Amino acid sequence: DTAVSQTPKYLVTQMGNDKSIKCEQNLGHDTMYWYKQDSKKFLKIMFSYNNKELIINETVPNRFSPKSPDKAHLNLHINSLELGDSAVYFCASSQDRAGGGQPQHFGDGTRLSIL
Amino acid sequence: GENVEQHPSTLSVQEGDSAVIKCTYSDSASNYFPWYKQELGKRPQLIIDIRSNVGEKKDQRIAVTLNKTAKHFSLHITETQPEDSAVYFCAAADRGSTLGRLYFGRGTQLTVWP
Repeated sequence: DTAVSQTPKYLVTQMGNDKSIKCEQNLGHDTMYWYKQDSKKFLKIMFSYNNKELIINETVPNRFSPKSPDKAHLNLHINSLELGDSAVYFCASSQDRAGGGQPQHFGDGTRLSIL
Repeated sequence: GENVEQHPSTLSVQEGDSAVIKCTYSDSASNYFPWYKQELGKRPQLIIDIRSNVGEKKDQRIAVTLNKTAKHFSLHITETQPEDSAVYFCAAADRGSTLGRLYFGRGTQLTVWP
């Protein structure tokens, strides 16, 4: 039973298109995150939601819009895709927002390739 | 905000040798330090973590040490095996913060040669 599941696993699309990535966690956690991992492996936080409330919004182009319909789901919609958006996007969750002193559980990632 | 620096960026060792990865942090409020292992094409997974009320924690072949005064912490892997080859990330967080944010180092690519 996968704890944090993302779909799709691979996404290949053309520049200018709009795409969405979905994430679901069955751990009963309150807090969910989106990270971008570039080709140099750096894990950069993009957004965090706690119980459907946006709590972290890093300097990310407004073409990226997260949405959390409930605390078990966090989706990421990307408009007007650009070459520089090619990366692996990881969803993660943690028990709650009570500090960073919580292990974060990662999904398997979505590899986005822009042609 | 917090700044976590990780060294070295790449590390090659012979099977059976020890490997040490070091991280420094800037925010004295940080008090939680996890380490994640990411195998090629896989997700980052927590392998060990330490809180600032202890100086060392061990789990079989891996150990983490923390020096709060100097603001650095290290991952030690003994008797390395080829399956230890992966990218390792250190991170730091302030447990008193309500943001739930981890600050990651840039990663260390560890290669263990048979």
